[in-house]
Amino acid sequence: GAVVSQHPSRVICKSGTSVKIECRSLDFQATTMFWYRQFPKQSLMLMATSNEGSKATYEQGVEKDKFLINHASLTLSTLTVTSAHPEDSSFYICSARVAGNEKLFFGSGTQLSVL
Amino acid sequence: QQQVKQSPQSLIVQKGGISIINCAYENTAFDYFPWYQQFPGKGPALLIAIRPDVSEKKEGRFTISFNKSAKQFSLHIMDSQPGDSATYFCAANPSGTASKLTFGTGTRLQVTL
Repeated sequence: GAVVSQHPSRVICKSGTSVKIECRSLDFQATTMFWYRQFPKQSLMLMATSNEGSKATYEQGVEKDKFLINHASLTLSTLTVTSAHPEDSSFYICSARVAGNEKLFFGSGTQLSVL
Repeated sequence: QQQVKQSPQSLIVQKGGISIINCAYENTAFDYFPWYQQFPGKGPALLIAIRPDVSEKKEGRFTISFNKSAKQFSLHIMDSQPGDSATYFCAANPSGTASKLTFGTGTRLQVTL
């Protein structure tokens, strides 16, 4: 299957700092990438849909100024958590869809801990 | 209408047994139904998927059963193994590759020796 690489796998930061998470499709071009947030023992909550070369579409209740998404190329999307606070601590997961295919492949996730 | 209801929330099965996880949906526009397996601290991995034009799909020990009229689908894991212990999510989305997946709430499966 297609490989989606997500980095870093774990990050600890101080409150007020910004954190960037990268999501790369290694062996395919991904016109669409999705960013999810997952709390312990809960399902995945879609945060935003990222389309290459255009602005991301955010789900209701997700602050676009706090969670900046950039999809500058067909293989890379980034999520930047700006001015992070302890309540932003969570597991963030990206996924990418192969062009013309409904299959969705996920990165390995990033555990963000904000102190 | 966008919800996918999943049950049970948790499941304990003995090694060699059959694990069964059920999902139900309301949106008749859904036409792609994947199952994902997630281990702790990892992203979900696509396990098996089905479209509504077939009632069953089998890949190794994993089988999806699909009942279009009842708007239900289920995952059966035959000969369950301790290595199958993970959280399983069903999902659904309507046609169109840009569509968003709607996930079930997840089932934590534990396979005991």
